[in-house]
Amino acid sequence: ELQVEESGGGLLQPGGSLKLSCAVSGTTVSQNHMSWARQAAGKGLEWVAALYPDGRTFYADSVRGRFTIFRDNSNNALHLQMNSLRAEDTALYYCVRLIGGYTGDHWGRGTPVTVSS
Amino acid sequence: QSALTQPPSASGSPGQSVTISCTGTNSNFGFYNYVSWYQQHPGKAPKLIIYEVNKRPSGVPYRFSGSKSGNTASLTVSGLQAEDEADYYCGSYTGNEWGVFGGGTKLTVL
Repeated sequence: ELQVEESGGGLLQPGGSLKLSCAVSGTTVSQNHMSWARQAAGKGLEWVAALYPDGRTFYADSVRGRFTIFRDNSNNALHLQMNSLRAEDTALYYCVRLIGGYTGDHWGRGTPVTVSS
Repeated sequence: QSALTQPPSASGSPGQSVTISCTGTNSNFGFYNYVSWYQQHPGKAPKLIIYEVNKRPSGVPYRFSGSKSGNTASLTVSGLQAEDEADYYCGSYTGNEWGVFGGGTKLTVL
């Protein structure tokens, strides 16, 4: 059974950096379209970044240039490096396996990120 | 502002049917059949219940069905049950190697 589990969230000040991790089991990360989505408290869902098997990466306009999505094939993990964090990045971050057309068929429980001074 | 528009709320009594709409503003919404629906209970992760407009993942009850006409997709929940009370989000492919979600609809079972 495919499972994803996020970790690495925390509380930090504006301008700080954080790396989120997603442990994947039941499939090979490098052979899947993987992504991060986020949800601010009481708000809707938003795609943040995606990584394709061929290595192409895609980002939301709001995070491009600040966030980097990458994978660790040896550990079968997905990561999200977040730099220059802003208060508006505060959210629960989900690791999501994508199937056709940006459909997320497997979601983790999420890891919380809070950016506050 | 979401590129997909959903009503903020919907409601129905147990046993009734309720339909939630999802209207796309991107011209590609009507072109691609990559419309998905997610159910999210409070404090839980979203769960995929409909993909490619009208397909159900294994384990999703037949009570959940999807459709699309032009720029509007719909999720219908038939035979409402108390456990169906949740937030529902639609999602779609934009055609530019990206996806978008609707703002979500809170379904209340009266």
